[in-house]
Amino acid sequence: AQTVTQSQPEMSVQEAETVTLSCTYDTSESDYYLFWYKQPPSRQMILVIRQEAYKQQNATENRFSVNFQKAAKSFSLKISDSQLGDAAMYFCACGRGSRLTFGEGTQLTVNP
Amino acid sequence: DAGVIQSPRHEVTEMGQEVTLRCKPISGHNSLFWYRQTMMRGLELLIYFNNNVPIDDSGMPEDRFSAKMPNASFSTLKIQPSEPRDSAVYFCASSPDRGQFFGPGTRLTVL
Repeated sequence: AQTVTQSQPEMSVQEAETVTLSCTYDTSESDYYLFWYKQPPSRQMILVIRQEAYKQQNATENRFSVNFQKAAKSFSLKISDSQLGDAAMYFCACGRGSRLTFGEGTQLTVNP
Repeated sequence: DAGVIQSPRHEVTEMGQEVTLRCKPISGHNSLFWYRQTMMRGLELLIYFNNNVPIDDSGMPEDRFSAKMPNASFSTLKIQPSEPRDSAVYFCASSPDRGQFFGPGTRLTVL
């Protein structure tokens, strides 16, 4: 069984600033993946970034990067140079293979 | 690639009516998932298929819900009879085994 916890129901950031969203997880699997999904007001679920647990190097996708601390079972998302279009609900997810367990989500507001 | 395709995008129906939601996964993906999202309960996994076979349907709320995947390119989620508490956004997602790719969702309103 897996659990994913996002302790920040809401976060806000000023445009052009950096924000970090927290996520902790628990899994009994030795081989798994971690994901961040973005859900803007359109409701579309968009895969933002993926991390393979066996890789020590933190994943990066343009302005999005993760801080993966395997021993601590922590997987935070950093958004640099925040833009108004980054405003959305962000979900952290953990899984092995294709089935995923999702966190409750963090609502990010970007202030102009 | 067209991504995961869902239809209809919006559905409004009356209590007691049958509702059928449709999904076309991304070609080559061997797993397909149906989710329901509401404000109260968040994102819930209803059922998932692997190679067209239902693997886990423990999330299906009750017998009024049924899902089929007759082939690798098509799946349906049926609610019969529908009730107001079924109102939600229903997502279909497909996976090549390393993450899921979601469709745009179907917003269902049952009056």
